[in-house]
Amino acid sequence: NAGVTQTPKFQVLKTGQSMTLQCAQDMNHEYMSWYRQDPGMGLRLIHYSVGAGITDQGEVPNGYNVSRSTTEDFPLRLLSAAPSQTSVYFCAVGRGGTGELFFGEGSRLTVL
Amino acid sequence: AQTVTQSQPEMSVQEAETVTLSCTYDTSESDYYLFWYKQPPSRQMILVIRQEAYKQQNATENRFSVNFQKAAKSFSLKISDSQLGDAAMYFCAYRRPGGSEKLVFGKGTKLTVNP
Repeated sequence: NAGVTQTPKFQVLKTGQSMTLQCAQDMNHEYMSWYRQDPGMGLRLIHYSVGAGITDQGEVPNGYNVSRSTTEDFPLRLLSAAPSQTSVYFCAVGRGGTGELFFGEGSRLTVL
Repeated sequence: AQTVTQSQPEMSVQEAETVTLSCTYDTSESDYYLFWYKQPPSRQMILVIRQEAYKQQNATENRFSVNFQKAAKSFSLKISDSQLGDAAMYFCAYRRPGGSEKLVFGKGTKLTVNP
């Protein structure tokens, strides 16, 4: 089992470019989410989904877009990248009831 | 909104010694979950230990244990017999009951283990 797979692991963008971070899970969990991690800031929730067709905003949603068409996939889109979006991004998948999250390995994004 | 505070940005411990990482949180809920996650240099986030607020007994996982003080809203992590592999960032996290699995994280404590 791969668990939670994020791609790409590293990406460099220029300001204004768009890109999609992919997240796929084979754990059959309903809850999926995206966090960003910045030095001294911990992890902050960007968007989350409690099931296919359902998404909602987290703490820092501006500049990001998500959709959830299947249980397995939860892509994060940056429509017009800004230097402030330079960060490490984590996809996390949740098993209902326990509160435990399973994380991908992270994607380091640099916006020049 | 719930907040989680880790007041120690960095801590260090000698190998085989014991260290305690602090975490406080703010909530008006009576039932919730608390977690400690470990992030080694590999960047992978790993669950260390979980505590459910309605349980009075402190959670323990091998060398890791917590001191959960509900009235004080305190949730510290004790690492006994520290090993070099324990060196990592440690994040405290809070989750309210019901609904989604949203976690609120503290800013983290960087633990160094000295040989």
